Amino acid sequence: RKEVEQDPGPFNVPEGATVAFNCTYSNSASQSFFWYRQDCRKEPKLLMSVYSSGNEDGRFTAQLNRASQYISLLIRDSKLSDSATYLCVVTNAGKSTFGDGTTLTVKP
Amino acid sequence: DAGVTQSPTHLIKTRGQQVTLRCSPKSGHDTVSWYQQALGQGPQFIFQYYEEEERQRGNFPDRFSGHQFPNYSSELNVNALLLGDSALYLCASSVSTGELFFGEGSRLTVL
Repeated sequence: RKEVEQDPGPFNVPEGATVAFNCTYSNSASQSFFWYRQDCRKEPKLLMSVYSSGNEDGRFTAQLNRASQYISLLIRDSKLSDSATYLCVVTNAGKSTFGDGTTLTVKP
Repeated sequence: DAGVTQSPTHLIKTRGQQVTLRCSPKSGHDTVSWYQQALGQGPQFIFQYYEEEERQRGNFPDRFSGHQFPNYSSELNVNALLLGDSALYLCASSVSTGELFFGEGSRLTVL
């Protein structure tokens, strides 16, 4: 079993749709959690950190459930520019482990 | 302020050869991590350097080695290349265990 698991998708949604991505992790000692975005053939870039209290950044909302070892990302009012691969990242003792990513395509 | 820079951007090697990839971290960053990303997969952690020492290592064979220099720049060396080593190699820098900033990567093809 992989340390970080994501639904690979792809998710194909129309502009304006709301889409949710899920991620589970196996190491209960994990300390920090993030979502990164990776455009095709580009490097990953930090989208947002994830906290137990939940956090929101514009159209993006991230949530962490430590008891279930589950992380989510919600994107509201999808834009064409949101098309990318979204990577769930879990950090423990300085080592960051990435999921294989969920691919989102937003269509006009 | 330059971000993370990696060289070379692309390279082609044959099986059995050796390769050295280079990384200059973002200004002010003291920690460098290396990742291997195969097509369709997420980045896989190779190792992390801090204060010129390997601090953490992922599940990669000893053919993969690295080094960090006093100016925090780093090298990744891979010996006895296999076809399966073909991938995008990403360098990420950070301040200790903070946010990772990635370079654009070195795309290695092994023939």
